Amino acid sequence: DAGVIQSPRHEVTEMGQEVTLRCKPISGHDYLFWYRQTMMRGLELLIYFNNNVPIDDSGMPEDRFSAKMPNASFSTLKIQPSEPRDSAVYFCASSPDRGLSGANVLTFGAGSRLTVL
Amino acid sequence: DQQVKQNSPSLSVQEGRISILNCDYTNSMFDYFLWYKKYPAEGPTFLISISSIKDKNEDGRFTVFLNKSAKHLSLHIVPSQPGDSAVYFCGSRGADGLTFGKGTHLIIQP
Repeated sequence: DAGVIQSPRHEVTEMGQEVTLRCKPISGHDYLFWYRQTMMRGLELLIYFNNNVPIDDSGMPEDRFSAKMPNASFSTLKIQPSEPRDSAVYFCASSPDRGLSGANVLTFGAGSRLTVL
Repeated sequence: DQQVKQNSPSLSVQEGRISILNCDYTNSMFDYFLWYKKYPAEGPTFLISISSIKDKNEDGRFTVFLNKSAKHLSLHIVPSQPGDSAVYFCGSRGADGLTFGKGTHLIIQP
């Protein structure tokens, strides 16, 4: 398996523009997570899906952020309109479970570095 | 309020010596603790974990210690090698899944 695939790796955009980040989880993993990494807050969970259904989006900072998972092999995180404070590295991760049983762990993608000017 | 705290943003250690990374948590319901390692331009990768019913887990040069009464865990790397230079994230597993700290940037000096 190629692991968790994220695109784009780097995105530079201007304030007010729409940004779409994409993720392909590991085949067979039922859980998909979106994290954001910043210096101030470290790795923070934005939202996670189970079998394509959003379960917990309490970490989504505001209504400008939305995430979808139309099928088991694809998810998007959209920011509209984007703002400079959204600049961060966004990680997608997948797992066989929510991490509540056994020692199953998250497998992260390489991340998408977003810069909003 | 952060439930998982890594109070040292960075740590510099000489090659061959012991590196000790610390992590504190507030939620006594966390039942599993993990360390992830992250190189620049890559995603975090799983390093080592420990169940809340244990106080120590060892894997080669890496050992994680858990002190439940103090709500504290630490990662020991002995001996430290140049390839250990990375950001280390402490993660705790609870009802809401994995919660991470801000990370500690470990720098191994030759």
